[in-house]
Amino acid sequence: DQQVKQNSPSLSVQEGRISILNCDYTNSMFDYFLWYKKYPAEGPTFLISISSIKDKNEDGRFTVFLNKSAKHLSLHIVPSQPGDSAVYFCAASRTDSWGKLQFGAGTQVVVTP
Amino acid sequence: EPEVTQTPSHQVTQMGQEVILRCVPISNHLYFYWYRQILGQKVEFLVSFYNNEISEKSEIFDDQFSVERPDGSNFTLKIRSTKLEDSAMYFCASRDSTNTGELFFGEGSRLTVL
Repeated sequence: DQQVKQNSPSLSVQEGRISILNCDYTNSMFDYFLWYKKYPAEGPTFLISISSIKDKNEDGRFTVFLNKSAKHLSLHIVPSQPGDSAVYFCAASRTDSWGKLQFGAGTQVVVTP
Repeated sequence: EPEVTQTPSHQVTQMGQEVILRCVPISNHLYFYWYRQILGQKVEFLVSFYNNEISEKSEIFDDQFSVERPDGSNFTLKIRSTKLEDSAMYFCASRDSTNTGELFFGEGSRLTVL
């Protein structure tokens, strides 16, 4: 099932710099998108979300951008911190089916000093 | 901070055995979910549960799977006759009634079928 794709399995970034994670989706029925962060041996933790009626949502160091025409979203982390080293999952859903998330494969982010 | 708790953290079982994975969702949440992640693969939706019945289930959730909320706090996933391919990390999740879609996940139960 390739409805949500994260094409970069890994990303290495220096502390203090910007991390940009990308996600593409194919199903035009998706209208709500979320980013989750996951540490080893833990469950995914919600980070930030965006509705399809918006093109940007910010929460502290995290900003999600949505380009509906391109079916593309991105997560920006500024500035990156060592504690941000984790796997980041993009997920998509439909508002008529809250909670049924379609996940991407994840991007492993490593923040180096 | 309230959290979703799951037990056991790891279970090893023989093929054909029944397994019950348990979850205690966040207390004021009304919607409950099971997801799984086979090693090296994506996190996949299994089933959603609301008002004591299944709301939606995936193709993976066949007759060998069942869910139950036996009391006011626990939410269980039963696998009747485990297969090797059921080996995975199983995540329970819950959410409240606001329409945000944000799920709170437990730490997962690792199931190993031998």
